[in-house]
Amino acid sequence: DTAVSQTPKYLVTQMGNDKSIKCEQNLGHDTMYWYKQDSKKFLKIMFSYNNKELIINETVPNRFSPKSPDKAHLNLHINSLELGDSAVYFCASSQEWVTQYFGPGTRLLVL
Amino acid sequence: GDSVTQMEGPVTLSEEAFLTINCTYTATGYPSLFWYVQYPGEGLQLLLKATKADDKGSNKGFEATYRKETTSFHLEKGSVQVSDSAVYFCALAIKAAGNKLTFGGGTRVLVKP
Repeated sequence: DTAVSQTPKYLVTQMGNDKSIKCEQNLGHDTMYWYKQDSKKFLKIMFSYNNKELIINETVPNRFSPKSPDKAHLNLHINSLELGDSAVYFCASSQEWVTQYFGPGTRLLVL
Repeated sequence: GDSVTQMEGPVTLSEEAFLTINCTYTATGYPSLFWYVQYPGEGLQLLLKATKADDKGSNKGFEATYRKETTSFHLEKGSVQVSDSAVYFCALAIKAAGNKLTFGGGTRVLVKP
């Protein structure tokens, strides 16, 4: 009965590859988010969707493309992976614009 | 822009010691304030929150009070345990800004037996 789940948990890949990370929430929330945590633990918002509509798009390279097939899912596709994309990516969801609940994270390592 | 500043770690304490982690913020609107905790190898868990001035959030022995006059939300616990060893993040969110969380840099806390 996991609230916010992400797959995969770990992802190791070569530079130049394309990869996707999936996120699903069973909380019935309307809003979902992607955050990036760098090697120094700093966390920063990347994207946010509300009812499948993009509402936040921070200064993220256009190699990153979020997709929300329905309000329970928010996937992150990354093209042409670079070394600097190595990080932990967290998905989160919220209802009523307040508390966000986070997934367990996807640890991406680009070699 | 909005920002959160929290004390740098690591903070090393003995069990049963008093813990304080300072957090101050700047915001263009009226924020809600949060403390999240990240245990080793895990994701972020909400520890406590406060949505308006003078509110006190509390959970698991941790407390923080929303001080608008000093733009602060300091985290305290009276007697820490080894299991409290983690990284603690202070954060704010503003509804008008899409509710995105703006995080501080995190404070690593290590509690020794």
